[in-house]
Amino acid sequence: DIVMTQSPLSLPVTPGEPASISCRSSQSLLHSNGYTYLGWYLQKPGQSPQLLIYLGSNRASGVPDRFSGSGSGTDFTLKISRVEAEDVGVYYCMQALHTPLYTFGPGTRVDIK
Amino acid sequence: EVQLVQSGAEVKKPGESLKISCKGSGYSFTSYWIGWVRQMPGKGLEYIGIIYPGDSDTRYSPSFQGQVTISADKSLNTAYLQWSSLKASDTAMYYCVRHKEYTDYWGQGTLVTVSS
Repeated sequence: DIVMTQSPLSLPVTPGEPASISCRSSQSLLHSNGYTYLGWYLQKPGQSPQLLIYLGSNRASGVPDRFSGSGSGTDFTLKISRVEAEDVGVYYCMQALHTPLYTFGPGTRVDIK
Repeated sequence: EVQLVQSGAEVKKPGESLKISCKGSGYSFTSYWIGWVRQMPGKGLEYIGIIYPGDSDTRYSPSFQGQVTISADKSLNTAYLQWSSLKASDTAMYYCVRHKEYTDYWGQGTLVTVSS
C-alpha cells in the first residue's frame, strides 16, 4: 500500500506570514495520462474536510488564491502565501492513484501562534 | 448545487447491526464514485471503500474488507455503509464523499457510537 507522510505535523503560524506543508508518497503519483493524483484538504474545527487543491496544483472552486499546490512524482508542497485566522485546522494530503484504495497523510495541525 | 446528505447520528450496542445512508443530489449520481471515509475520535482520515452506482463496482481498503458492506440504490440516488455486528472500535465519524479523479464533495458526517 502507498504510505503518505507529512511534515511538519504541527505548525504554529503568524497571521500575514507564509506557511508551507510538505507531503511525500512512497510511490510516484504521476499517471500515464500526465495527471498527478494528489489532493489537499482542510478540515476546520467541527467541520467536514473540504477540497483545496486537486490533481497536484489546481485550486478548487472558491478557494482563495493564497493557497497553492506544487510538486511532482513523490514530493509535494502546499503553500499559504499569507496566513489568515480562518486557515486554522488540520491539512491532509491524499493520493488517489494507487489501488486497492486511496490513502491520506497523517495530517498537519495549523494554529495561530 | 452538489450535495451529499447523510443520515443522522446513531447509538448502538456491540453486536448490533447498522446501515447508514448518503443521498446525492445536484449531479448525475451514476457518473461518479461514492466513497466512505472513517475518522475515529481525535484521529485522521481513512478511506473505507468506494462504489460506482452506475454498475455497483465496489472496492474496499484491505483494512476494512469483510468488516463492512458498501451498497447503492441508484433509483434513490443513495449509497449505504453497513455493519452486521458492530464493535466498540467502530465508534467514529463516517463521511461519504464524491469521487471521480479526485475526491471533491463531502457529506456532513454521521457519528456512530457503539457502547454497552
